[in-house]
Amino acid sequence: EPEVTQTPSHQVTQMGQEVILRCVPISNHLYFYWYRQILGQKVEFLVSFYNNEISEKSEIFDDQFSVERPDGSNFTLKIRSTKLEDSAMYFCASIIEQGGGIQYFGAGTRLSVL
Amino acid sequence: SQQGEEDPQALSIQEGENATMNCSYKTSINNLQWYRQNSGRGLVHLILIRSNEREKHSGRLRVTLDTSKKSSSLLITASRAADTASYFCATVSMYSGGGADGLTFGKGTHLIIQP
Repeated sequence: EPEVTQTPSHQVTQMGQEVILRCVPISNHLYFYWYRQILGQKVEFLVSFYNNEISEKSEIFDDQFSVERPDGSNFTLKIRSTKLEDSAMYFCASIIEQGGGIQYFGAGTRLSVL
Repeated sequence: SQQGEEDPQALSIQEGENATMNCSYKTSINNLQWYRQNSGRGLVHLILIRSNEREKHSGRLRVTLDTSKKSSSLLITASRAADTASYFCATVSMYSGGGADGLTFGKGTHLIIQP
């Protein structure tokens, strides 16, 4: 069964460093998402991406964040200068079509900022 | 309170019993979805119910939706130890621009099935 793949599973970085989290969405899906889950809290929407541009972003998705689909298969989330409060689980998701249907989630990348 | 709040926050039952979790939301929705998350893992989609539906079944899962009360419930029948996980409801706004809008999640119910 097709699945969303995220790498790495765990990323440790120093405060102020740049990190890139990678995702390979399901191949025929058109919409891509990043979510964040701080330990013990709920999953929060960061950004959605369609047709090579951001469709929607939340208040969390400030200038420190950027997304890119560099090669038609990967979908990346970059955090330019990490802060301690960026420590969280980051989930990528994709959906085949518009209409608010089922989103398929990756297993997540745990980001630890020291 | 926030969109998509589940209750109870935690639920512990014996294997074989039924588990019921509730979710309330605030804005008008296109659909409501339930996801499961095993500890430290990703989210697994369980079931989607559209705003014009009142009840939906999938295996041992039964979901109801009451748009007048802006609430939903998830019933897991004949629970198993493997059902131990956190369960989240998530909504898609009626005013979303199609598939672009993200899901709004609740805080989740942590379900523990005692063997």
